[in-house]
Amino acid sequence: AQRVTQPEKLLSVFKGAPVELKCNYSYSGSPELFWYVQYSRQRLQLLLRHISRESIKGFTADLNKGETSFHLKKPFAQEEDSAMYYCALRGSNYKLTFGKGTLLTVNP
Amino acid sequence: DAGVTQSPTHLIKTRGQHVTLRCSPISGHKSVSWYQQVLGQGPQFIFQYYEKEERGRGNFPDRFSARQFPNYSSELNVNALLLGDSALYLCASSQQGRGDPEAFFGQGTRLTVV
Repeated sequence: AQRVTQPEKLLSVFKGAPVELKCNYSYSGSPELFWYVQYSRQRLQLLLRHISRESIKGFTADLNKGETSFHLKKPFAQEEDSAMYYCALRGSNYKLTFGKGTLLTVNP
Repeated sequence: DAGVTQSPTHLIKTRGQHVTLRCSPISGHKSVSWYQQVLGQGPQFIFQYYEKEERGRGNFPDRFSARQFPNYSSELNVNALLLGDSALYLCASSQQGRGDPEAFFGQGTRLTVV
């Protein structure tokens, strides 16, 4: 079975502060991990995927297979980062499994 | 390009009724996936179709079915509606299905069962 856990339902930080959204997964094989974002009144959209090792909008995420984690990080949060963030896992069956999401609020 | 489009945007049905939700993928995308999102939860996978064939099915009862048409649009059908089927139903498309993650989602259809 594949499972994604996002332990924080809500996360609030001040503008300019570092932010880390936690994601832990459970999967017996080699998963693909993704972060999705949903801004207010907008559609769900792919933010980044672990295999591309890219930085999008200043966010990065490293897959740690030992700790089975894929935390999303940004060194300096901006108000426009306020959104719902979902971590997702795709296994060999190509089914995407999402976590419950973390609502990030960046305060001015 | 209008992106992934879903219809209708909102729907109210009575328990026991049947509902059909529709999705048009981005032009050139051959894969369509359906997700159910209950309030406070992440999206839950229902089906994936690629080139008109079912490629994946989530843990949903047989009341849920889907199909993909030659133009790659898709329908999700739910029979014998239950109150618990009330949710936002999302459609996502990708070019190749298994190679690409679902990068493009529709705005969703909000289904309320009363």
